[in-house]
Amino acid sequence: DVKVTQSSRYLVKRTGEKVFLECVQDMDHENMFWYRQDPGLGLRLIYFSYDVKMKEKGDIPEGYSVSREKKERFSLILESASTNQTSMYLCASSNEGLAGNTQYFGPGTRLTVL
Amino acid sequence: AQSVTQLDSQVPVFEEAPVELRCNYSSSVSVYLFWYVQYPNQGLQLLLKYLSGSTLVKGINGFEAEFNKSQTSFHLRKPSVHISDTAEYFCAVTPTGTASKLTFGTGTRLQVTL
Repeated sequence: DVKVTQSSRYLVKRTGEKVFLECVQDMDHENMFWYRQDPGLGLRLIYFSYDVKMKEKGDIPEGYSVSREKKERFSLILESASTNQTSMYLCASSNEGLAGNTQYFGPGTRLTVL
Repeated sequence: AQSVTQLDSQVPVFEEAPVELRCNYSSSVSVYLFWYVQYPNQGLQLLLKYLSGSTLVKGINGFEAEFNKSQTSFHLRKPSVHISDTAEYFCAVTPTGTASKLTFGTGTRLQVTL
């Protein structure tokens, strides 16, 4: 079974803090994704990566950065957290190539910024 | 660009009744279509997907969906729901021939009661 794990299920941070959200997958997938999920808005893509050290902006990259130093790990960084970044963050991975490949999701990190 | 519309934000239904969750999409290019389910406090998992071939697609847990190109729809159906089907359901699309960047709808909350 594909397993995507996220470092924390719940996280509380203060405004202005630097926040790291970690995601690890164990299926040797090339593609990894970060989404945020908000009520009434569905999932929105923040960043994705299709190879180590490669990244591409999604639909809402402002206020976020990412790092992919190893194939299995994809980190989402909030340089200076703000209250409007309070949300559920979901990581996903998929095999390279075909657009029809299934994305496998982690359990999510619920981040609260006070 | 693609967009996905899930008009029903909530669908209440009694156990053992049939259900249809509606999904319409907009795209100027060919797309692949997906339905994902999110159970409470969990990440998303794939229910089913349409890539090509038969327009009626069967998925896990007794769900099926029908791709209708002329109506740009991909409605999800189940003939008899169970309490355990209570969850949020997301429709998603991705253009064929790209690195599986999904565009999600806003989700439909299915609430099954006795």
